Amino acid sequence: GDSVTQMEGPVTLSEEAFLTINCTYTATGYPSLFWYVQYPGEGLQLLLKATKADDKGSNKGFEATYRKETTSFHLEKGSVQVSDSAVYFCALISGGSNYKLTFGKGTLLTVNP
Amino acid sequence: DAGVIQSPRHEVTEMGQEVTLRCKPISGHDYLFWYRQTMMRGLELLIYFNNNVPIDDSGMPEDRFSAKMPNASFSTLKIQPSEPRDSAVYFCASKIGQERTGELFFGEGSRLTVL
Repeated sequence: GDSVTQMEGPVTLSEEAFLTINCTYTATGYPSLFWYVQYPGEGLQLLLKATKADDKGSNKGFEATYRKETTSFHLEKGSVQVSDSAVYFCALISGGSNYKLTFGKGTLLTVNP
Repeated sequence: DAGVIQSPRHEVTEMGQEVTLRCKPISGHDYLFWYRQTMMRGLELLIYFNNNVPIDDSGMPEDRFSAKMPNASFSTLKIQPSEPRDSAVYFCASKIGQERTGELFFGEGSRLTVL
């Protein structure tokens, strides 16, 4: 079945540091890939997505590139801010599924001033 | 515009009691999803509806769980009887349109504790 594996957290960085959160997946067909973010006390919200190989999703300074050859969708940001502190979820919807979004377990990011 | 609204935000109950969680999706959205979040298993899809009709309930853990969507603006997730292992955060989400990669809009969640 479909699965998403994210790097274990928590991740703690200083403001303006470079961020990478690794994500790899297993899926049938050609999945679409997503990053969702959950700020404290809130529901998840879509951060970015990519729907085919080599696509790059970007939003709010975050980027992720769909790498079919390595089945990866790593999240990066060049300079994090305290306001980026949140839980980040990698997710996929596979080519063979209906509307089921499969999530990784999430990575807690804390950015210190 | 109001987002997805869930109630209650927090519920503490005793084992064996009935629990009802409620969700109001964003107006005009035609898909509604119920997810459960635990530390051990992460986010799991329980069931989803399209135009108020349940489409996939394969994630519902057992017969103690049931979900309904009597109209386009209201859904319930019921657990009867509740057990301690049901303790989790339950999220409702909605989306609009048939595009499979369309954004899901999540509510703030209902945190359930079963003692």
